[in-house]
Amino acid sequence: GNSVTQMEGPVTLSEEAFLTINCTYTATGYPSLFWYVQYPGEGLQLLLKATKADDKGSNKGFEATYRKETTSFHLEKGSVQVSDSAVYFCALKPGSGGSNYKLTFGKGTLLTVNP
Amino acid sequence: DAGVIQSPRHEVTEMGQEVTLRCKPISGHNSLFWYRQTMMRGLELLIYFNNNVPIDDSGMPEDRFSAKMPNASFSTLKIQPSEPRDSAVYFCASSFRFRENTEAFFGQGTRLTVV
Repeated sequence: GNSVTQMEGPVTLSEEAFLTINCTYTATGYPSLFWYVQYPGEGLQLLLKATKADDKGSNKGFEATYRKETTSFHLEKGSVQVSDSAVYFCALKPGSGGSNYKLTFGKGTLLTVNP
Repeated sequence: DAGVIQSPRHEVTEMGQEVTLRCKPISGHNSLFWYRQTMMRGLELLIYFNNNVPIDDSGMPEDRFSAKMPNASFSTLKIQPSEPRDSAVYFCASSFRFRENTEAFFGQGTRLTVV
């Protein structure tokens, strides 16, 4: 079946540091890949997505590139801010087939950014 | 639009009691999802409705759980009788034609504690 593995947290960084959160996946075919963010006490919000190999999703300074050869979708940001403190989830959705509505999530990575 | 609205935000109940969680999806959305979030298992899809019809309820843990969507603007998730292991955050999400790679919008969740 489909699965998503992301780096264990928590991750603690100082403001303006570089961020990488690793995400790898297992899926058949060509899934769509997503990063969701969950701020304290809130629901999940879509941060960025990529729907095919070599696509780069980007939003709010975050980027992730869909690498089919390494089955990865690592999240990066060049300079984090305190306001980026949240839990980040990598997720996939099958590209086709009967279950192409089902999001499979990683366990989440808690990021804390200190001033 | 106010987004996906869930109620209550917090629920504390005693074991054996019936619990009903409510969700109002975004107007015009035709896909609705219920997810459960726990530390041990992460985010799990419980049930998926399309055009008010349950399409996939394979994630519903057992017969104590039931979900309904009587119309396009309302859904409930009921647990009867509740057990301590049901304690979790329950999210509702909605989307328009989610199979075609559109975004799923999540509510703020209901934190359920069964004592």
